Amino acid sequence: GAGVSQTPSNKVTEKGKYVELRCDPISGHTALYWYRQSLGQGPEFLIYFQGTGAADDSGLPNDRFFAVRPEGSVSTLKIQRTERGDSAVYLCASSSGRGGTDTQYFGPGTRLTVL
Amino acid sequence: EDKVVQSPLSLVVHEGDTVTLNCSYEVTNFRSLLWYKQEKKAPTFLFMLTSSGIEKKSGRLSSILDKKELFSILNITATQTGDSAIYLCAVEAGLGFGNEKLTFGTGTRLTIIP
Repeated sequence: GAGVSQTPSNKVTEKGKYVELRCDPISGHTALYWYRQSLGQGPEFLIYFQGTGAADDSGLPNDRFFAVRPEGSVSTLKIQRTERGDSAVYLCASSSGRGGTDTQYFGPGTRLTVL
Repeated sequence: EDKVVQSPLSLVVHEGDTVTLNCSYEVTNFRSLLWYKQEKKAPTFLFMLTSSGIEKKSGRLSSILDKKELFSILNITATQTGDSAIYLCAVEAGLGFGNEKLTFGTGTRLTIIP
């Protein structure tokens, strides 16, 4: 596609439920990133994929968070047993993956609200 | 731990004014500094800076990097109401050839009054 797309745009769930957030990167981009942005803050890194593998998952806050990218394109961020503190905008970005100075392009995000 | 600090946190000016937004950083193995504009949810790319003293320009926006003093500025001249947004500064740092995560500042919220 022309840009990074994310679905759903908004997700409201109850504490303790499981959610999945989807990211479709720019066609041909091998690098994919997930960030989380809380109100009044800049985005914070969660995980980075190069192809199908997670090259850096150091930003995942705990084991309730997991992400996959089985075919090296679409990625899903999965959150188990959601907590109110998980409420935030989850942003996905992609880049060409060629390394060096490689620009990350962001999607519109998913606003997650945990009641 | 990598750190990016932006100032001011908030700025309100009148249409036509010129503004300067600041970004300072402390990172290990600096690679690049990026500016993004965030109007609703999606940050949109403005500039990537890798070399000191070379100004990047796009229309009324320009930016420059000082790698000795570890800061960058984003200038917007003849501001318009459409410039109202949060401006994010981010730094990419790392040793390897591959891609690296971005560390963001908290952003500067710019409001342009007609």
